[in-house]
Amino acid sequence: TQLLEQSPQFLSIQEGENLTVYCNSSSVFSSLQWYRQEPGEGPVLLVTVVTGGEVKKLKRLTFQFGDARKDSSLHITAAQPGDTGLYLCAGIIQGGSEKLVFGKGTKLTVNP
Amino acid sequence: GAVVSQHPSRVICKSGTSVKIECRSLDFQATTMFWYRQFPKKSLMLMATSNEGSKATYEQGVEKDKFLINHASLTLSTLTVTSAHPEDSSFYICSAGGAHGNTIYFGEGSWLTVV
Repeated sequence: TQLLEQSPQFLSIQEGENLTVYCNSSSVFSSLQWYRQEPGEGPVLLVTVVTGGEVKKLKRLTFQFGDARKDSSLHITAAQPGDTGLYLCAGIIQGGSEKLVFGKGTKLTVNP
Repeated sequence: GAVVSQHPSRVICKSGTSVKIECRSLDFQATTMFWYRQFPKKSLMLMATSNEGSKATYEQGVEKDKFLINHASLTLSTLTVTSAHPEDSSFYICSAGGAHGNTIYFGEGSWLTVV
């Protein structure tokens, strides 16, 4: 059973397009994080969200944490080839251990 | 800059030998660190939770005698792959959190190739 459902798993778009990646769960998370991973490197933290309804912006990236803290989304505006990579959502389940629960990841390719 | 540092980034070893990978938290103390393995094009798979001053907690299916974890200080955890075999070749990543609240940071990862 996948505790954190991430979609889509693969996304190939043209430069300039917008996209949204979703992470959904039936569990409540005390915090949820988004990472970006380049091939052969460790995941790099993009953002941490902890408050239900929270919206954080990082340049062209907008992160939202659901009101019930069960879901999150990552929206990229005007995608660029440099945005290509694997995007991972991961969260800590409220009342659970410190272990991060991962989504399966979204492999994004932005074509010039 | 890096918050969690991992070393070495790449290592090649002969089959049957052991290899050690280090994970350091650079500007905070981490009572708990995590070790992951990642297969190509897949998400991270948690191998074990490293607890400072006590035994590591291994996930189901992970051989604790093969993947030795030592968390000797609040800033260092090591993963030793013993009697390595080619099928142990993989990308190993550590993570740590704590002083920064709920945020968990990852090391750069270590590529292990067993020949």
